Amino acid sequence: DVKVTQSSRYLVKRTGEKVFLECVQDMDHENMFWYRQDPGLGLRLIYFSYDVKMKEKGDIPEGYSVSREKKERFSLILESASTNQTSMYLCASSLFSGRANNEQFFGPGTRLTVL
Amino acid sequence: GNSVTQMEGPVTLSEEAFLTINCTYTATGYPSLFWYVQYPGEGLQLLLKATKADDKGSNKGFEATYRKETTSFHLEKGSVQVSDSAVYFCALSASGGGADGLTFGKGTHLIIQP
Repeated sequence: DVKVTQSSRYLVKRTGEKVFLECVQDMDHENMFWYRQDPGLGLRLIYFSYDVKMKEKGDIPEGYSVSREKKERFSLILESASTNQTSMYLCASSLFSGRANNEQFFGPGTRLTVL
Repeated sequence: GNSVTQMEGPVTLSEEAFLTINCTYTATGYPSLFWYVQYPGEGLQLLLKATKADDKGSNKGFEATYRKETTSFHLEKGSVQVSDSAVYFCALSASGGGADGLTFGKGTHLIIQP
């Protein structure tokens, strides 16, 4: 069965802390994505990666960075957490096939609260 | 840029009612279209998809037809169940290989009452 796992379901951090959110997929997918989900705003793309050590900014990259050292793992980093980064964070992966019809597989999400 | 507009919720229906959730999109080229569902406390799951005009996606009694002339991809189900209560997201992918991420609508919260 296809699996995307995220390191934590719930996380509470303090303002200014450095926060790491980890995502692992076991499907040998090339593409990986980080979204945040907020009520009334839907899902917004933060960063994505189409290969190891490659990264591209999404729609809202400010305040975030990412790391992809291995194909199966994609980390989201909040260098200095702020209260407006309190949100649900969703990781996803997909296979690269040169076509636009690829399903993205999502992890269960990490609900991050920044105090 | 690309965008997806779907009806705001919550949508409250009685069991066995007919469901329509509207979705329209703006995109360049020929996007693929998706409906995802999110059950409480879970991540998103693909419900159905369509990759070209006039394609019909279907799954678990849900259907949606890719209408290029009206740029729409409305979700329908003939008889809803309490277990269909969830948040539904319409989304599009406009790039080859899906490497640019999906563009999502804001989501529609569906509540089915027994």
